[in-house]
This record gives sequence, structure tokens and C-alpha cells, in this order.
Amino acid sequence: AQSVTQLDSHVSVSEGTPVLLRCNYSSSYSPSLFWYVQHPNKGLQLLLKYTSAATLVKGINGFEAEFKKSETSFHLTKPSAHMSDAAEYFCVVSPYSGGGADGLTFGKGTHLIIQP
Amino acid sequence: NAGVTQTPKFQVLKTGQSMTLQCAQDMNHNSMYWYRQDPGMGLRLIYYSASEGTTDKGEVPNGYNVSRLNKREFSLRLESAAPSQTSVYFCASSDIGEGFYGYTFGSGTRLTVV
Repeated sequence: AQSVTQLDSHVSVSEGTPVLLRCNYSSSYSPSLFWYVQHPNKGLQLLLKYTSAATLVKGINGFEAEFKKSETSFHLTKPSAHMSDAAEYFCVVSPYSGGGADGLTFGKGTHLIIQP
Repeated sequence: NAGVTQTPKFQVLKTGQSMTLQCAQDMNHNSMYWYRQDPGMGLRLIYYSASEGTTDKGEVPNGYNVSRLNKREFSLRLESAAPSQTSVYFCASSDIGEGFYGYTFGSGTRLTVV
């Protein structure tokens, strides 16, 4: 079984300052890990993915995440926040590096607020 | 554009009514999924279909049925809608194995049961 814990339900940062969204996971296997973003009243868009290759993963829109097996963490960062980054972010785990037919496990989400 | 198409986008039902949510993908993916999203709960898996001809229950299957009509289409049916089924429903598709690059989601169906 796997689980995902997003440590903050809301994060508020000023435009131009760094963003850190925290995620811890547990998995019995070598997992795949993802971050998805959801803008208001929209579907989910893949930001980045870790599938057992490089532990530092770069995604779209300047986001990146580092897989730390010893800490079971997969935190999402961005050096400088932009107003358009305001959205809901989901950390997601799949039990196998090649994906799993039985679906993904989602964290409960972190609402990112960008202050002008 | 290639992707996952869901219909309808919005629906209001009365308690006890039935309806089917439609989903189609044109990426030749083998696996398809139905999720529901509720505030503060993330997304929860209702049913999935690993390949054409197979379906399996996810975390929250009660009150729902599914049909994998062919490789492209995967529908979700509410036989007797209840207010607890008010939610946003997302369909997704993927391949697994070496072709696994995450899931592609549709834009969602916002369902209200009154």
C-alpha cells in the first residue's frame, strides 16, 4: 500500500520569492512520484515526474522536485513565484516505476497563494 | 488536440435519477480511470480499467458502475444518484510499463445532486 502526505494545506508567498511545497510518501515498492497542478475550475496538468532516473527532476514553468529516498520526501520548489502559479498542487504516488494499472494515490492538495 | 474528452461538463440531477458520464481518449492508452474530487480530499479512485474488457473497483466504488466500451471509451454510470455523489468527476488514461509518463486527465464533470 502507498500513501502521500502533503504537509501544508495552504502556502502563501510573495511574488518573486521562493516556493516550497512539501510532500512525504510511503510505498512498499520503488515508486513513481508526480506533481500535478490544478488551476481554478480546470483539469489536472502534469508538472513533473520521478520514475527512478535522476533524483532531481525539472518540470514545466520553472518548477523542480528532489526525490530523497532516505527521507521519503518529494518536495516541490520554484526559485521565484509568479502570480500565475496560484493554484492547487497535488503530490501523487504510483506504486511502480512503470506505473500501475490500479491507479494513483493523491495527496489532499496544497493551495498556493501568491501575494502581490 | 489529442487528449481525454469528458461529457457533459456540468450536470444537475435530482435524487434517485440516473445518468452516464462519458469519457473518450485518443492516445491509444490501455488503461483508463474514473476519479472523484471533493474539497480537502484530493482525488479518489472510483473504478479503473487496466485494458479493454477489464474493470476493477477502486477506493470508492459504491453507487457507481462502469463500462469499458472499447479501447477509447470508458463510461461511469450512477444508477440512483444521491446527494453524497455531488462532486467533480475526472476521467484519466495512461499506458504502463516503459511507456508510463503519468496520467492524462480530462477537464472534469461537475455534478450536483439535489
